Amino acid sequence: GIQVEQSPPDLILQEGANSTLRCNFSDSVNNLQWFHQNPWGQLINLFYIPSGTKQNGRLSATTVATERYSLLYISSSQTTDSGVYFCAVERGTGGFKTIFGAGTRLFVKA
Amino acid sequence: NAGVTQTPKFQVLKTGQSMTLQCAQDMNHNSMYWYRQDPGMGLRLIYYSASEGTTDKGEVPNGYNVSRLNKREFSLRLESAAPSQTSVYFCASTRLAGANEQFFGPGTRLTVL
Repeated sequence: GIQVEQSPPDLILQEGANSTLRCNFSDSVNNLQWFHQNPWGQLINLFYIPSGTKQNGRLSATTVATERYSLLYISSSQTTDSGVYFCAVERGTGGFKTIFGAGTRLFVKA
Repeated sequence: NAGVTQTPKFQVLKTGQSMTLQCAQDMNHNSMYWYRQDPGMGLRLIYYSASEGTTDKGEVPNGYNVSRLNKREFSLRLESAAPSQTSVYFCASTRLAGANEQFFGPGTRLTVL
């Protein structure tokens, strides 16, 4: 099946710093999403981005489907950005089975 | 607009007991999903329902059954719980499988002793 790898696995930032999270996938996909899981366990959809670039405030994401990777940019990080960031993909062929990466655990220090 | 709701929030079972986790969405979404999340890991898909009246296996379906009761509701049943099923269970929905973002419920924390 399709493999989803996220890097780095852990990241510690000083408040105000910028960061880039990466998601690599092993096969073509028709759907890619980025999620944030906050320290209380709630999962929030950040971007639905099968291709191209999107921005939402301090966050932006780029997916290059032909090269099988996606990047999530966090600028001017805040302590509320702490949590785990997941990338998830769906192939579409053979059913709509969503595959999650293992996540990047981010801690932003005040 | 409550979004995706799950009941119960917490549950403790003994090995061999059965239970049903309930999920409902009020966004008129066609597709619904059940996932499990084990400590320190990403989510794994158990079952999904692309549309009312259909269900399909995900990555880890063994030991579970599902019912798409109607467009709003999608339940997950453990017939004979095992300690390996201790996990946090999340339900999600989306307007059309494969074409839209998924919205998640708050999760059910299940412990099997």
